[in-house]
Amino acid sequence: QVQLQESGPGLVKPSQTLSLTCSVSGVSISSGGYLWTWIRQHPGKGLECIGYKFYNGRTYYNSSLESRVVISLDTSKNQFSLKLSSVTAADTAVYYCARGDTGLGKAFDIWGQGTMVTVSS
Amino acid sequence: EIVLTQSPGTLSLSPGERVTLSCRASQSVSSNFLAWYQQKPGQAPRLLIYGASYRATGIPDRFSGSGSGTDFTLTISRLGPEDFAVYYCQQYGSSPVTFGQGTKVEIK
Repeated sequence: QVQLQESGPGLVKPSQTLSLTCSVSGVSISSGGYLWTWIRQHPGKGLECIGYKFYNGRTYYNSSLESRVVISLDTSKNQFSLKLSSVTAADTAVYYCARGDTGLGKAFDIWGQGTMVTVSS
Repeated sequence: EIVLTQSPGTLSLSPGERVTLSCRASQSVSSNFLAWYQQKPGQAPRLLIYGASYRATGIPDRFSGSGSGTDFTLTISRLGPEDFAVYYCQQYGSSPVTFGQGTKVEIK
């Protein structure tokens, strides 16, 4: 059974870097066919794809966040991470990690439970 | 960027009713790479449909998807009490991946 679990600080100060980790169990992140993805949801709003990294290292970032985002894979720990720099209150959101499956096109079939991150001094 | 517009914004319905949700794309969705998700309060979204019409693993057959090009539909044949939620469409045929704004299905 594949599971994803986000972890990281729930409170980040403005201008600092938001760092989250997604721990993956039940599948190796270095196995082919998956996109390791971060998605966020502002309070009461819809979903926004932040970006994803393929197993082969190819990476996509949302153009509106591209200058501030880094997604990386740690195969030794079977985790992937998100770093979002220079945060503001507009980055307050629930952050989800998810798996995109190229066998399903690239639909996101497995999601973490989400973690709320508040940007405030 | 492909903009997805979902309608209606909210539907008030009773259990047992048939539901049809619409998702319209601003341009054609490549290879019908269109998915539908269900989200309940406090929970992560759950994949229902991928490739416009294929049910994801474990999804009941009362959920069905159809459409192609720019117009897509999610149908719930008979609303169960557990189906009251927000439904999102998503396209993944072109970068960036985009989501619709959601349709809330609430109890009448």
